[in-house]
Amino acid sequence: DAKTTQPNSMESNEEEPVHLPCNHSTISGTDYIHWYRQLPSQGPEYVIHGLTSNVNNRMASLAIAEDRKSSTLILHRATLRDAAVYYCILSGSWGKLQFGAGTQVVVTP
Amino acid sequence: DTEVTQTPKHLVMGMTNKKSLKCEQHMGHRAMYWYKQKAKKPPELMFVYSYEKLSINESVPSRFSPECPNSSLLNLHLHALQPEDSALYLCASSHRGGANTGELFFGEGSRLTVL
Repeated sequence: DAKTTQPNSMESNEEEPVHLPCNHSTISGTDYIHWYRQLPSQGPEYVIHGLTSNVNNRMASLAIAEDRKSSTLILHRATLRDAAVYYCILSGSWGKLQFGAGTQVVVTP
Repeated sequence: DTEVTQTPKHLVMGMTNKKSLKCEQHMGHRAMYWYKQKAKKPPELMFVYSYEKLSINESVPSRFSPECPNSSLLNLHLHALQPEDSALYLCASSHRGGANTGELFFGEGSRLTVL
């Protein structure tokens, strides 16, 4: 199963953009790249996912490298409510979405 | 209705008890998942059901027994658990299984304590 690597933590100022990197050098052609976030005492929340092309939604943007070995989640204007653990996950052939360690995002006012 | 409902929210059980966790969704999703999450750790995948059939079992001990009676309902039967099984158990669902699951919707979890 392909694995992902993320920094342990990142800090951002409120209203500033946040770029969260994820390396997945062993990704296979059928793996979708998913991002979820988890606030304390809550279940994970879907953020965005994509296969090859960059994706945008109301929460974030996902930039996928041309070789698909890395991706970046972009939060355009961080708010205090964006403070959470962000997980980059590959879907696997059978939908085996396994979470890695994630990145703790800290947002300072 | 975009909710995944898990009951109970909290469960305390002894090592000889038999109990069950329940998960329900009414979004017409055909894939459902159980995850286990220990404190300050990421969720660990346990089981995946796709079209009511078990498609993934991540080598989970047999004291955890999943069941999918219909496309809206997922149970996790618990028997002879150990204190180290104490954790938050998360259920999720998605439109379909396989590589292109789409968005996973998670419940808020059932917090299990084994004494």
